[in-house]
This record gives sequence, structure tokens and C-alpha cells, in this order.
Amino acid sequence: SYELTQPPSVSVSPRQTARITCSGYELGDKYVCWYQQKAGQSPVLVIYQDKRLPSGIPARFSGSNSGNTATLTISETQALDEADYYCQTWDNGIAIFGGGTTLTVL
Amino acid sequence: QVQLQESGPGLVKPSETLSLTCAVSGAPMTSYHWDWVRQSAGKGVEWIGRVSFSGNTNSNPSLESRVTLSMDASKSQFSLTLTSVTAADTATYYCARADHSFDSWGQGLLVTVSS
Repeated sequence: SYELTQPPSVSVSPRQTARITCSGYELGDKYVCWYQQKAGQSPVLVIYQDKRLPSGIPARFSGSNSGNTATLTISETQALDEADYYCQTWDNGIAIFGGGTTLTVL
Repeated sequence: QVQLQESGPGLVKPSETLSLTCAVSGAPMTSYHWDWVRQSAGKGVEWIGRVSFSGNTNSNPSLESRVTLSMDASKSQFSLTLTSVTAADTATYYCARADHSFDSWGQGLLVTVSS
């Protein structure tokens, strides 16, 4: 079965750029979405179709996808960006989620 | 803006059937898929399946034999039934609206399987 791999944790200083990766076989041939989940809350879509920004999501969030790796980039990271982030794609009609990455803003 | 709300029992006994309903408000149920996703400490985030306005359903093969999905658009709701539950089915269950991505989620419902 298809798998997506994310680093368990990423740390970043305030106002710096955070990058969270998501790896999967030939992932660049698929669309990737990213979700932000803060403690005790439901996931929120922050990137869809690799790089598109949903309404209401700050332009500090961006995405890319090529080869075997998709990347979520958060520029000018703020304390309120601390959360778990999950990548997601579709494989043969099945939604696949990555294991999640905890972003810590130090 | 679409809103989704899960309802159902928070506690289910092993070997019994879990039944959840998701109420949809703020948007018609046409032109989208309506999905169930669960999250547990042990298995992370797992897609359960979806029902479309057309009535078509699709489930995760890992759960397919135990899952039934349905929709009642006249009541603006859709439902999940999971049979023969075990402790491994303990999770927070979310309903979500989807096309290529899950763009709206319910608040989640913690379901514990225990005697």
C-alpha cells in the first residue's frame, strides 16, 4: 500500500521559514494537500492541489511537489503556526495521510 | 459556509456496531463527496470512506468488509456504520466534505470501544 513519510518534528524560530517535507513514491505525479491541526481542534486545509491556497489561509503558507517529495513552506513563522501538519494524497481512489509533523516555534 | 456535526455514542462495546451520523448545514449536499476520517494515537489519520450525492460509495479496503455508508440528502445528513468493533477502532471520528481535498471538517467525536 502507498505510504507518505513525514519527519515527526520540525523546529523554527519566530519570523524564520519553516519547511515540512512529505515523501512518497513518485509523489510528484499526484496532487498533495496539507492540513494544519492545532491541539484539540479539527484539521484545517491549508494547501490543496500541491500549491493552491484556500480562502482565508495566509499567503505565508505555500506548497510545492516534485519527484518524490512535497514540501509545505511557512514564511515569517508565527507562534500561532504551532500545530501538527499532515500531508495527504490519493492513491487508487484511497485517501492516504502522512504520519504528521509537529511544528514547534521556539 | 458549510458546517458539519457528528453525532452518535461515545462508547461502544466490543463486537457491537458503531453508528454515526453527520449533519450538514450551510450548503447543499450536491456536487461533493461526503467522507469519514478517523484519528487515533496508534494509527494516525485514516480515511474510512465516502458517499457521493449520486449514491456511490467507496471505502478503505482495510475496513471495507465492516463499513456501510449512506446519505439522506433530504435530511442533509450522511451516516457511517462500522460492525464488529474492537479496541483498535477507538478513535476520534470526523466527517468531512471533499472533492480533491477535505475542505470542511466536523468537530470530531471520540468513540471508545470498551466493555
